[in-house]
Formats: sequence, C-alpha cells, structure tokens
Amino acid sequence: GQQVMQIPQYQHVQEGEDFTTYCNSSTTLSNIQWYKQRPGGHPVFLIQLVKSGEVKKQKRLTFQFGEAKKNSSLHITATQTTDVGTYFCAGPLGSSNTGKLIFGQGTTLQVKP
Amino acid sequence: DTAVSQTPKYLVTQMGNDKSIKCEQNLGHDTMYWYKQDSKKFLKIMFSYNNKELIINETVPNRFSPKSPDKAHLNLHINSLELGDSAVYFCASSQDAGDPYNEQFFGPGTRLTVL
Repeated sequence: GQQVMQIPQYQHVQEGEDFTTYCNSSTTLSNIQWYKQRPGGHPVFLIQLVKSGEVKKQKRLTFQFGEAKKNSSLHITATQTTDVGTYFCAGPLGSSNTGKLIFGQGTTLQVKP
Repeated sequence: DTAVSQTPKYLVTQMGNDKSIKCEQNLGHDTMYWYKQDSKKFLKIMFSYNNKELIINETVPNRFSPKSPDKAHLNLHINSLELGDSAVYFCASSQDAGDPYNEQFFGPGTRLTVL
C-alpha cells in the first residue's frame, strides 16, 4: 500500500544549528502537508505544498516539494528552543475521496540551549 | 473558542472496562476522524465520518465503535479495554473529505492508560 517514510526519526541539535527532515512517498502525491506537534500537544497544520518543485518559507522554516512530487523536506535555519517538537509530513491517499492522510513516522527534534 | 475539543483529556482505567471519548468541532466541517498515536508517536487513522456517514474503517478491533450523532460530534466507545489500547487518541476534522487539499484540525487528545 501507499507509504510515507520520514527520516531521521530523532534529531538532537545545539541551539543555533540547522535542522532538516526528509519525507518520501511511495507514490506521486497531489500535495503534501506538514504538521508540528509540541511535546504534550496535538498536531498543528503548518503548510501545504501543491506544485512540483514548490518552495515555501515561514520565517526560519523552508519547505520544499520535489520535482516528481514524491518527496519533500523541511529545513529550519538557526534552531531555537521553541522549535522543539515532532514534525510530520502527510500526503493524501491516492485517488481516495475519504480525506485520508498518510502520515510519516515523524521526526522528533530536540534543541539544546 | 476551541475549534476541536475532546473529553476527557486523561482517562485511567482497568483492563476489561468499557469507556467512551467524546469529540466536538465548531468549525462547520463535514468530516471527522479518530487517530491513535502510540508511544513512538506514530499517527494511525482509525475511523472517519463524513456528514455522519462512516467512510474510513481501518483494521481496528471491533471492540472500538465510533458514533456520529451529527456532523459536529464524533464519539469513540471502547469495550473490554486491553493494555495495548493505552495510547493518545486524537480527534480531527477537515472541511470536506472529497477535497485532498484540506488540512486537518486536531483536538487536544485523550491520553488513555489501561492498567
């Protein structure tokens, strides 16, 4: 079945270092969504990428969608302690009209002050 | 105003008991979901309802029974609780199941601990 893989599973960085998480889908996606879950919190939608090769920025966060629309990345420049949490990518299931999202396993980011 | 709310936030119970979790959304969305998040943070879809109709029913033990009395509410009843049911259960909603570009809005989660 359709799968979304995310690496790394965990990343520990020193505050001020950069961080990147990678997401790969087994199938071409119509779009990819990114969510952030703070410790003890719930997933919160960050952004959606739709176009092949699309790049979007939110302050220190840069999101990319691959040319083949099968992979994506989230890069954080100069991490801060507020960036701590688990970052999930998610893509819709094939041609389903159920709204089902396939989530990656998540990358948990720890930032040492 | 809380967009997606769940009760209770914490639930500690004994094996074999029956318990329910309730979810409500005030976003006017048509679609609601139940997810289970295990200790490794993996988010697994369990069920989804669109306008009170069940549209996603993943491989979940039939001890789990969702109910949607109206499109703003989705409840989850669990019979004969087992240790492996311990997890965080998230309710979520989205505008329309038929639109793959809709983002999902998650509730605060219910942490279920089965002793």
